[in-house]
Amino acid sequence: DTGVSQNPRHKITKRGQNVTFRCDPISEHNRLYWYRQTLGQGPEFLTYFQNEAQLEKSRLLSDRFSAERPKGSFSTLEIQRTEQGDSAMYLCASSLGSGTHYFGPGTRLTVT
Amino acid sequence: DQQVKQNSPSLSVQEGRISILNCDYTNSMFDYFLWYKKYPAEGPTFLISISSIKDKNEDGRFTVFLNKSAKHLSLHIVPSQPGDSAVYFCAASDGGGADGLTFGKGTHLIIQP
Repeated sequence: DTGVSQNPRHKITKRGQNVTFRCDPISEHNRLYWYRQTLGQGPEFLTYFQNEAQLEKSRLLSDRFSAERPKGSFSTLEIQRTEQGDSAMYLCASSLGSGTHYFGPGTRLTVT
Repeated sequence: DQQVKQNSPSLSVQEGRISILNCDYTNSMFDYFLWYKKYPAEGPTFLISISSIKDKNEDGRFTVFLNKSAKHLSLHIVPSQPGDSAVYFCAASDGGGADGLTFGKGTHLIIQP
């Protein structure tokens, strides 16, 4: 059984560029979550999907952030016009309905 | 406004002894609580969870206690081992875990030989 995978593991970009991260959940999990973690803080919930439906997106940090899960399997998180304050670890998690969230290894974003 | 608080940024415990990590919450709607362990440059790893209908859950060396009246939970690790050295996060949900989790800031546990 493979766990949650995320790509890329590291991304360095220049301010103003767009970036996209991918998350592949555990195959039978119908819920997929995105979190952001900055230094010294716990993960901060951003958005989640049940199958292909995005059920919560009010926590997305700004309108520069968007997420998709077009076929109810993998998901992408896009940040447009990146800013230095976007530098963080972006974590994806999946779950089977309610219950435990299983996290991927994260994507480390550095905006220069 | 932090709804989940871990007031000890770090904790040092001797190998073989008990480690006790504490967590307080303010939202009375939280009904599901989890503990995660995190190593640097990795995602959080699930350890143990507890529903608000219980006051204790045990899994091997890990036990979580929930005191709803005090809005407090704790994680006990017995006996502590060197591999337990990591950052431990307390998390809570008001949807039985179905919605997003609210995390504390974490406690860095250091197991001394």
